[in-house]
Amino acid sequence: LAKTTQPISMDSYEGQEVNITCSHNNIATNDYITWYQQFPSQGPRFIIQGYKTKVTNEVASLFIPADRKSSTLSLPRVSLSDTAVYYCLVGPRTTGGFKTIFGAGTRLFVKA
Amino acid sequence: NAGVTQTPKFQVLKTGQSMTLQCAQDMNHEYMSWYRQDPGMGLRLIHYSVGAGITDQGEVPNGYNVSRSTTEDFPLRLLSAAPSQTSVYFCASSPHGDNEQFFGPGTRLTVL
Repeated sequence: LAKTTQPISMDSYEGQEVNITCSHNNIATNDYITWYQQFPSQGPRFIIQGYKTKVTNEVASLFIPADRKSSTLSLPRVSLSDTAVYYCLVGPRTTGGFKTIFGAGTRLFVKA
Repeated sequence: NAGVTQTPKFQVLKTGQSMTLQCAQDMNHEYMSWYRQDPGMGLRLIHYSVGAGITDQGEVPNGYNVSRSTTEDFPLRLLSAAPSQTSVYFCASSPHGDNEQFFGPGTRLTVL
C-alpha cells in the first residue's frame, strides 16, 4: 500500500484558503486518493476522494497533478470550526481498500 | 439512520479484566472494522469483517477478539486488559470495502 507524507501541522486564519499537500510517490495505477477530517473526540469523517485532475464538493476541492505523485486538499475560506486533523490516504477503490493505513495526519489550527 | 454507534463512550478497567466494546450500524454495510488511536497518532487496524460470519486480523490484533454473527453488529472483546490497551477505539463500516468508511464516535478506554 502506498505510503503518504503530509505536514505535521499548519496554522491559518479565519477566511483564508488552506491548502494541504500530500506526497505519495509510489502510488499504484489503481489507487485513489482519499481525505478524511477528524475533529477532537470524534471519529474520522470522509471528505473527498479522487483519481486525477480536480474533484470538488461542498466541503473541499482536491487537486491531483498528471503524475499523481502528490495531491492537494483545498479548504476555501476556513472558519474556526475547520480546526481538525486531516488525513490523506492512498489505496484501491476496491474490496480491501479499507485496510489503507491512516498516518498521523496534518493538524490544522484556525485562528480568529 | 443512526449510522455507526458505539457503546460505551468511556470505560475504565483494571489490569486483567475483560470487557466487550459494542459496535452497531444500520446502513446494511458488509464491511466493518475496528481501529485504535493512540495520542497524536493515526489509526491502526485491529480486526475487520467482510460479512457476517467472516472476520480477519488487522495490523494489531493481539489481545483482542471479534465475532460477526449479524450484519449489524461487530463487538470487540478485550480478553485480559493491559495498560498498553489504553486508547480510543473506533468502529467503522463500509458499503464496498474500499476507502470510503463511516466511523463511529469512539470509545475511550483506560486500563489501570
